[in-house]
Amino acid sequence: ELKVEQNPLFLSMQEGKNYTIYCNYSTTSDRLYWYRQDPGKSLESLFVLLSNGAVKQEGRLMASLDTKARLSTLHITAAVHDLSATYFCAVEPFSGTYKYIFGTGTRLKVLA
Amino acid sequence: SAVISQKPSRDICQRGTSLTIQCQVDSQVTMMFWYRQQPGQSLTLIATANQGSEATYESGFVIDKFPISRPNLTFSTLTVSNMSPEDSSIYLCSVLLQETQYFGPGTRLLVL
Repeated sequence: ELKVEQNPLFLSMQEGKNYTIYCNYSTTSDRLYWYRQDPGKSLESLFVLLSNGAVKQEGRLMASLDTKARLSTLHITAAVHDLSATYFCAVEPFSGTYKYIFGTGTRLKVLA
Repeated sequence: SAVISQKPSRDICQRGTSLTIQCQVDSQVTMMFWYRQQPGQSLTLIATANQGSEATYESGFVIDKFPISRPNLTFSTLTVSNMSPEDSSIYLCSVLLQETQYFGPGTRLLVL
């Protein structure tokens, strides 16, 4: 069974702190996607990682992909309240099908 | 990205009835997808809808329960048939653009 697991599931952190969200997956894949979802809203695309060693950065967020370890990380630098949301990773296990298997999600709360 | 709309945004339905959800995108796309997201949970892919061909369903989802139409490159519908309370969920459509899926706002369904 294909599994995409994120940890932690819940994260409460202080503003200004750094933290990393981990996304582990059980199948070979070189395509991984990160999304953000605000409460009651749809999903917003954050990063597209399409090869081993890919690193993308946008503002206070940086995502990386290690396909050999089947691991992606989403690193948060100097968190601010506006980053509070649920973050999902998604894996495309069959390259070219564009079918995603979503992770369990990480609910992040940044405390002012 | 793309502008994606869904109708209805929410509905309350009686068990045994059916509801058709519409998804409209402002540009022509080859691939559209339908997902289900139960409250506080991750997303599960229901089916892939390509224009000009039958929808392909994921394990656990069948056409009789979730018939899909894809009449052109900007529109798709998902019907939830013979509903039960277990069908209460958020249903989201997505479109594939530049190798990334972009999501509609979702339809919140409550079945009584």
